[in-house]
Amino acid sequence: QKEVEQNSGPLSVPEGAIASLNCTYSDRGSQSFFWYRQYSGKSPELIMFIYSNGDKEDGRFTAQLNKASQYVSLLIRDSQPSDSATYLCAAKDSGGYQKVTFGIGTKLQVIP
Amino acid sequence: SAVISQKPSRDICQRGTSLTIQCQVDSQVTMMFWYRQQPGQSLTLIATANQGSEATYESGFVIDKFPISRPNLTFSTLTVSNMSPEDSSIYLCSVDDGVLTDTQYFGPGTRLTVL
Repeated sequence: QKEVEQNSGPLSVPEGAIASLNCTYSDRGSQSFFWYRQYSGKSPELIMFIYSNGDKEDGRFTAQLNKASQYVSLLIRDSQPSDSATYLCAAKDSGGYQKVTFGIGTKLQVIP
Repeated sequence: SAVISQKPSRDICQRGTSLTIQCQVDSQVTMMFWYRQQPGQSLTLIATANQGSEATYESGFVIDKFPISRPNLTFSTLTVSNMSPEDSSIYLCSVDDGVLTDTQYFGPGTRLTVL
């Protein structure tokens, strides 16, 4: 059973701080990784995807991937109250079948 | 990214009845996915629907309970049959970009309550 593990939180950070969200995955063959943001009552919205080891930056968001450790993280700089949401980590399974396994999500609370 | 719409956005149904959820995409896509998200839980894949072939169901989901149609490259339906309160959930349609970013994008979801 392929798994993506996340701490469900909540993770509370003050406004303006850096929020660090982490996940690990079990399928060593996974090549594609995704972070989705889900506001309460809404569907998941893609924030970032990452395929290569290292960092990928997009505005206030940085995704980090370490395939040797099977570890993915998302950093949110200058956190805003509007960033308060659940962040889902996802990994696309290895092999030809395009199934994506999602973590349970980490609830982030940015305190004004 | 593809624009995905779902109908209905929400419904309240009686036990034992069936509900069909529609998913429409604004561009042709090969693969469409149906997920369920129960309260406080993450996304669970129900099945993958390819145009012109039978849907592929994940463990724990069967065609008799969740029949799926995929008549063309822009449309799919999921039926939740013989509903019970345990079927109360958000049902999400998703498509795989498959070309540019290899990512999945989600429709707005259907919030189902079974009484």
